[in-house]
Formats: sequence, C-alpha cells, structure tokens
Amino acid sequence: DIVMTQSPDSLAVSLGERATINCKSSQSVLYSSNNKNYLAWYQQKPGQPPKLLIYWASTRESGVPDRFSGSGSGTDFTLTISSLQAEDVAVYYCQQYYSTIFTFGPGTKVDIK
Amino acid sequence: EVQLVESGGGLVKPGGSLRLSCAASGFTFSSYSMNWVRQAPGKGLEWVSSISSSSSYIYYADSVKGRFTISRDNAKNSLYLQMNSLRAEDTAVYYCARDNGIAVALCYWGQGTLVTVSS
Repeated sequence: DIVMTQSPDSLAVSLGERATINCKSSQSVLYSSNNKNYLAWYQQKPGQPPKLLIYWASTRESGVPDRFSGSGSGTDFTLTISSLQAEDVAVYYCQQYYSTIFTFGPGTKVDIK
Repeated sequence: EVQLVESGGGLVKPGGSLRLSCAASGFTFSSYSMNWVRQAPGKGLEWVSSISSSSSYIYYADSVKGRFTISRDNAKNSLYLQMNSLRAEDTAVYYCARDNGIAVALCYWGQGTLVTVSS
C-alpha cells in the first residue's frame, strides 16, 4: 500500500500569514498516461466530516477560496493557505487515490498563533 | 442537493456484528462508486472500502479484509457495510462518501455513524 506522510504534525500561524503543509507519498502518484497526480487535500473541523479542498494535486474544488492552493508532483506535495483566516483552523489531510487502496496522511493541525 | 445519511451504528461486543447503511439522495446513485471511511475517536481518517457503481469492483483496507463486506442496492439508493468479528480497534465514526465525478477524490460525505466495540 502507498504510505502517506505529512509534516509538520501541527503548526500555529498568525492571522493573515502563510501556512504551508507538506505531504509525501511512498511511491509516485503521478499517472503517466494523463500526467495527473492522484492526490487530494481535505479540511476537517471538529465534529464535522472532511471537506474536499483540492484534487489532482492542484485543482480547487468548486467553492473553495483561492487562498488555498496545492502544488507538487510525483511523491512530494504542498498545501498552502496564503493568508490564514480564523475559519481555517482545522486538521488538514492529504490522500492518494492512485491505488485502488486509498490512503490518507496522518493529518496536520493548523491553529492561530 | 447530494445527501448521504448513515445509520446502524451503536454499541456492540467484541466478536459481534453490525450492519451500517447509507441512504443516498440528490444524484443518480447507480452512476457512482461509493466508499466507507472511518475515524477512530481523536484519530485520523482511514479509508475502509469502496464499491464500483455496478458492484463489479470491490476493494478493502487490509485492516478489515475478510471481516467486512461492502454492498449496494441501486434500486434502493443505498450503500451497506456488513461488519463481522468486530474488534475494539474498529471503534470509530463511519462515513459514507462519494467522489466529485471528476476525480476519485471524495467530495460528498455523510455526517457519520458511531460504532463502539466494547464489552
């Protein structure tokens, strides 16, 4: 199975500042036939189900604010929140869907400094 | 509006069985693969199982293979998870989820149903 790791485990960022979360897969999730990375990012707030933010590593889901962006390819990926807002306090997960056995990263908790 | 509503959770003893259901509405259920994802209390997300639109393709996480069975009834717009030989480590909120129709990323989620395995 593809193992997903994330760093850091948690981070605290001042309002309006940039937050960066890293995700690494144990093998490439880039599908060569369509040049797409099978990588998604989710946001989960307490007591709520996860919310899809990004798919194909860099495509924002409809309705997701443009302060959220995804980048990377192959095995290394980044989720960036360009200007942290109070409502962005949450746990963020990456997930690969390259394999038929999906796997999530362990999550990164984002708080306000 | 897409809606997914899970039911069937509860308290069960180790070794027991439980059947979860997910009622889907607001979309053509028979056109989409469906998934179960769980989250143990205070822990991260764990994908459990997926089933293709016509039930032709079924996949399980190693942690539940041989004990859990996913199924669906397209006529009833319903997804199921039969859980047997339950263990304490199966205690979690179980979500059903659907992809966004573009990628297999999970866009639509239910509110979840809590399964507690304890004596």
